[in-house]
Amino acid sequence: SAVISQKPSRDICQRGTSLTIQCQVDSQVTMMFWYRQQPGQSLTLIATANQGSEATYESGFVIDKFPISRPNLTFSTLTVSNMSPEDSSIYLCSVLRPYRGGTDTQYFGPGTRLTVL
Amino acid sequence: QQPVQSPQAVILREGEDAVINCSSSKALYSVHWYRQKHGEAPVFLMILLKGGEQKGHEKISASFNEKKQQSSLYLTASQLSYSGTYFCGTENRAAGNKLTFGGGTRVLVKP
Repeated sequence: SAVISQKPSRDICQRGTSLTIQCQVDSQVTMMFWYRQQPGQSLTLIATANQGSEATYESGFVIDKFPISRPNLTFSTLTVSNMSPEDSSIYLCSVLRPYRGGTDTQYFGPGTRLTVL
Repeated sequence: QQPVQSPQAVILREGEDAVINCSSSKALYSVHWYRQKHGEAPVFLMILLKGGEQKGHEKISASFNEKKQQSSLYLTASQLSYSGTYFCGTENRAAGNKLTFGGGTRVLVKP
């Protein structure tokens, strides 16, 4: 598995502002992912962040709104820009780690609960 | 496209069994199962790779039918600790390590 921490754990922000969420892993990982989970809903992938390359965004998510940095193999940030109440959600990072028999799976951080007023 | 999970919710008494299904419209390479308790991160349970193969975690097991593009999660002799929302995450070869999650199944185990 992996020990993953996220900061902040929760925040309340005003509309029009930006928030940067940090994700720290206890060991080096190649692939990191950022998800959004709205209350009572499933997990929606925002983007994949590989060290040394630009993040790859899923349909419906754009870099101007969710810029991502991946400066090294243990750290990533997601910024939620120009926030509106619709951005209120839980944001989770995950990392790809080996499991068994040559397989890989994702392990999730504790999440950041964001409320936009 | 998001895999379809059924049922959406289930209520059990301690000791009862339940089955959660996950169906995809796309050919699957693997299926990953997670459990999420309220206010916590999803926790990885198991991964299914081969058709018909069953994996186990506690008294929770799962199967994967490649031809039918579906997986089932079996909660046997359920315990109070099994309560939570279960998500299947499907992976296809073209997506390469990306998971697409189903809508989730809420499980409540009562004493």
